[in-house]
Amino acid sequence: GAVVSQHPSWVICKSGTSVKIECRSLDFQATTMFWYRQFPKQSLMLMATSNEGSKATYEQGVEKDKFLINHASLTLSTLTVTSAHPEDSSFYICSGRAAYEQYFGPGTRLTVT
Amino acid sequence: KNEVEQSPQNLTAQEGEFITINCSYSVGISALHWLQQHPGGGIVSLFMLSSGKKKHGRLIATINIQEKHSSLHITASHPRDSAVYICAVEGSQGNLIFGKGTKLSVKP
Repeated sequence: GAVVSQHPSWVICKSGTSVKIECRSLDFQATTMFWYRQFPKQSLMLMATSNEGSKATYEQGVEKDKFLINHASLTLSTLTVTSAHPEDSSFYICSGRAAYEQYFGPGTRLTVT
Repeated sequence: KNEVEQSPQNLTAQEGEFITINCSYSVGISALHWLQQHPGGGIVSLFMLSSGKKKHGRLIATINIQEKHSSLHITASHPRDSAVYICAVEGSQGNLIFGKGTKLSVKP
């Protein structure tokens, strides 16, 4: 099956710093990529949808200036958490969509101290 | 009321048992996904369904569009099947709405 990678797999950063998470589709072109967030013991929640070359569409309640999404190519999308705070500590997962299939990355665990 | 409801929330089974996890949804969908999430958090896509039934190894997934209901079955369960199983429905734009998951623990 198709593969989506995320980097880094885990990151610890200090409050106030920014963190960039990369999501790559390794063997397919993802016209659409999705970013999800999962807090402990909760279900995944969609944060934003990004189409290659377009601005991301953010879900209600997700601050677009805080969670910067760039989808510069059909194989790469990045999520930058700016001025991170402890409440941003979460598990971030991306997925890439090709045709009618959706493939998930392994996730990035962010801890903000 | 959540748009995607899963039951049960937690399930403990003995190795070899037949397991069923249910998912009901209240919105229009283009497809339904069954996902497996291991303790480390990584997600594996098990099935994507828009109608009928699919089988892969010991896993079977069914969907009834009229009743807005899907089931995931595991035959001859094994401890390595222990994970959280998540039902997610896909809207027309590809965005997913997730259920809260069913935590399965299979005891040897």
